[in-house]
Amino acid sequence: KNEVEQSPQNLTAQEGEFITINCSYSVGISALHWLQQHPGGGIVSLFMLSSGKKKHGRLIATINIQEKHSSLHITASHPRDSAVYICAVRELGGSQGNLIFGKGTKLSVKP
Amino acid sequence: SAVISQKPSRDICQRGTSLTIQCQVDSQVTMMFWYRQQPGQSLTLIATANQGSEATYESGFVIDKFPISRPNLTFSTLTVSNMSPEDSSIYLCSVKGGWETQYFGPGTRLLVL
Repeated sequence: KNEVEQSPQNLTAQEGEFITINCSYSVGISALHWLQQHPGGGIVSLFMLSSGKKKHGRLIATINIQEKHSSLHITASHPRDSAVYICAVRELGGSQGNLIFGKGTKLSVKP
Repeated sequence: SAVISQKPSRDICQRGTSLTIQCQVDSQVTMMFWYRQQPGQSLTLIATANQGSEATYESGFVIDKFPISRPNLTFSTLTVSNMSPEDSSIYLCSVKGGWETQYFGPGTRLLVL
């Protein structure tokens, strides 16, 4: 069983739609990251969460530590949001540097 | 924050050859990480590189195949040795910042023929 599970694996949306990507994990964590990877391969960190909710522009990330679940929401989606979104966790007591990554959600927003 | 650059951004190599990937950070960092992302897969940690000590390799990765240098606090190299088509991946350099943040380089896209 993967320690970090994301759903859906693939998501196609029309421009303007509200999008939700889910992440569940099975280990105790000190932090959860939402990352964005564009086709070129580079990765950008969107959020780092240890509790509650964070908002940045049209992006909102929430985490429920008790349920070991996080969601990434995109409001008023746009074709430029098309990318792979990756959830990653830093395990409590784990190797200092290691993040455990989900397999990613490939989002395609159509105009 | 930390800005990370990698060279080369992409390369096409013949099997049996070696490629060295460079990672430069705009600030001094203690821990640098090298990840591999095979096609359609999530990122996998290859090794952690600390300045002044040997790199620590994850299970399934060995120094002979992926030698790493860390000559100072802003620079590291990863060499992919004796390449085979299975080494075709994106290789990413990453650093841990303060307060659990983590930053990633733009990646090196490698194709081995």
